[in-house]
Amino acid sequence: GQSLEQPSEVTAVEGAIVQINCTYQTSGFYGLSWYQQHDGGAPTFLSYNALDGLEETGRFSSFLSRSDSYGYLLLQELQMKDSASYFCAVRVNSGGYQKVTFGIGTKLQVIP
Amino acid sequence: ETGVTQTPRHLVMGMTNKKSLKCEQHLGHNAMYWYKQSAKKPLELMFVYSLEERVENNSVPSRFSPECPNSSHLFLHLHTLQPEDSALYLCASSLNPGGADNEQFFGPGTRLTVL
Repeated sequence: GQSLEQPSEVTAVEGAIVQINCTYQTSGFYGLSWYQQHDGGAPTFLSYNALDGLEETGRFSSFLSRSDSYGYLLLQELQMKDSASYFCAVRVNSGGYQKVTFGIGTKLQVIP
Repeated sequence: ETGVTQTPRHLVMGMTNKKSLKCEQHLGHNAMYWYKQSAKKPLELMFVYSLEERVENNSVPSRFSPECPNSSHLFLHLHTLQPEDSALYLCASSLNPGGADNEQFFGPGTRLTVL
């Protein structure tokens, strides 16, 4: 099976930088995804890393180290609207298709 | 708006009722998924359909019965549910479940309460 670990809650100040870590244990690993979910809303895709290194998309960046089974999501210039839950998710090979397993999510609270 | 719609948005049902959840995607995707989201727990994958064929049944009790009549529609038929089945049920779709571009697009979910 797969297991993922990420912090349950993080608080950060508006305008600051926050890093949300994710460690995983799995076989047949393809890559690591990140999703954002606001309260009462649907999860929305943020990023996907299949190779080691940093991927940047605007204020958000995502990093993967396959050798360390570790990744993180970096949010810069935090805004109040970034308050949400952030899920890491591993994609693994499962009988010919890519199965996605989600972590428990990190609830980010941005404070003034 | 992600291109995935779900109805109803809220559902309250008794343990002896039979109801169905509906999901429709307008993205031309080939794969559709049902997830269960409960408080303090990770998103739980329930079923996966690829080109209308079920490719994953994640040990889901038989009181949950999925149906995928075509690649745009997915149903979850519910009968004799238990109170612990109360949760947010999310539908998602992706272009190709076997490919690298497997970003999943989620619907807004159905908040189910079983009395």
